[in-house]
Amino acid sequence: GNSVTQMEGPVTLSEEAFLTINCTYTATGYPSLFWYVQYPGEGLQLLLKATKADDKGSNKGFEATYRKETTSFHLEKGSVQVSDSAVYFCALSDQSSGYALNFGKGTSLLVTP
Amino acid sequence: GAVVSQHPSWVICKSGTSVKIECRSLDFQATTMFWYRQFPKQSLMLMATSNEGSKATYEQGVEKDKFLINHASLTLSTLTVTSAHPEDSSFYICSAGRRPAGHLETQYFGPGTRLLVL
Repeated sequence: GNSVTQMEGPVTLSEEAFLTINCTYTATGYPSLFWYVQYPGEGLQLLLKATKADDKGSNKGFEATYRKETTSFHLEKGSVQVSDSAVYFCALSDQSSGYALNFGKGTSLLVTP
Repeated sequence: GAVVSQHPSWVICKSGTSVKIECRSLDFQATTMFWYRQFPKQSLMLMATSNEGSKATYEQGVEKDKFLINHASLTLSTLTVTSAHPEDSSFYICSAGRRPAGHLETQYFGPGTRLLVL
């Protein structure tokens, strides 16, 4: 079956530091990959997505590249801000699951001034 | 666009009562709605998938008689937790899938409903 593994948190960074949150997946088909963000007290928001190998999703300075050869979709940002503090979820979906999202456990990010 | 609302946002109830949670897509018709459950500091676990006018598909281990899902229209799905017990206390999140012609379905999430059963 499908599954998503992402690095354990919490991750604490200073403002303007470089961020990487690792995500790897297993899937039987050809999934689409997503990063969702959950700010404190709010619902999940789609951050970025990629639908096929070598696609790069990007939004708000965050990027992730769909790497089929390494089954990875690592999230990166060159310079984090305090406002980026949130929980980040890697997820996949495909037709075999009826497009339901299969989430990783989430990585909590805290950015300090 | 693509806003999903949930009501109520908070509910506290006594053990043995039933609680209904509504999920609405406000500005689009959802092809599919999904219900997730999130425990503190954990990920979202899919409970069930519902399509308008048909029975919901429940994930393994989710009691369909305990968690009743009704998908009455393309913009409304309800989750009823029947005879709630303290172990049902959790954060329940719905999402609505939108699939523009020729495009990948994207899920839009509601803000969640926090249920506390005393």
